[in-house]
Amino acid sequence: AGVTQTPRYLIKTRGQQVTLRCSPKSGHDTVSWYQQALGQGPQFIFQYYEEEERQRGNFPDRFSGHQFPNYSSELNVNALLLGDSALYLCASSQHLSGRERYFGPGTRLTVT
Amino acid sequence: QQQVKQSPQSLIVQKGGISIINCAYENTAFDYFPWYQQFPGKGPALLIAIRPDVSEKKEGRFTISFNKSAKQFSLHIMDSQPGDSATYFCAASNSGGYQKVTFGTGTKLQVIP
Repeated sequence: AGVTQTPRYLIKTRGQQVTLRCSPKSGHDTVSWYQQALGQGPQFIFQYYEEEERQRGNFPDRFSGHQFPNYSSELNVNALLLGDSALYLCASSQHLSGRERYFGPGTRLTVT
Repeated sequence: QQQVKQSPQSLIVQKGGISIINCAYENTAFDYFPWYQQFPGKGPALLIAIRPDVSEKKEGRFTISFNKSAKQFSLHIMDSQPGDSATYFCAASNSGGYQKVTFGTGTKLQVIP
């Protein structure tokens, strides 16, 4: 099975909080999250391995995450802004041994 | 700070023609350069990748050319087909245990019959 993300679509109101979920590809232990604004390339948010955040991109603390013992992951965004509207992508890989990133289909978040 | 610059933003190619997409990077610590293909409503899918110790890599109709001194690399799609119509992203990452991938801005390719 590949990378799965839920939900696929989400509409939230400014100021609300949202949680997105990701299940990595079988055999993968590292999960990365990306934000892709319309017409742009994906921007790295953070990466989780062994249930800890290992690297972080230039995103505010409103963006937080979690990785569970089964390697699945959550992305949480607090105090949503209109500018948070984007496709949120989850990618999984094998730590150290794998450079290939397998991406999920993404969650399309719309903030109104 | 954009570390990977990609051009053109969009490209229209006749069926059977050659599609060429160019990228340039700034960070000399990058040592892995993948290309991703993304169809509408889908996540990016790895197409082909190259390391800087080779100047060219070919997989089927897709070829990456790499110029380390110029810090540039390009994707060539030979015999372009309508099914190749998608958005293509170049990307780069560096060695280390936790490698984040830096993406270019994307090229929307349309192959017309």
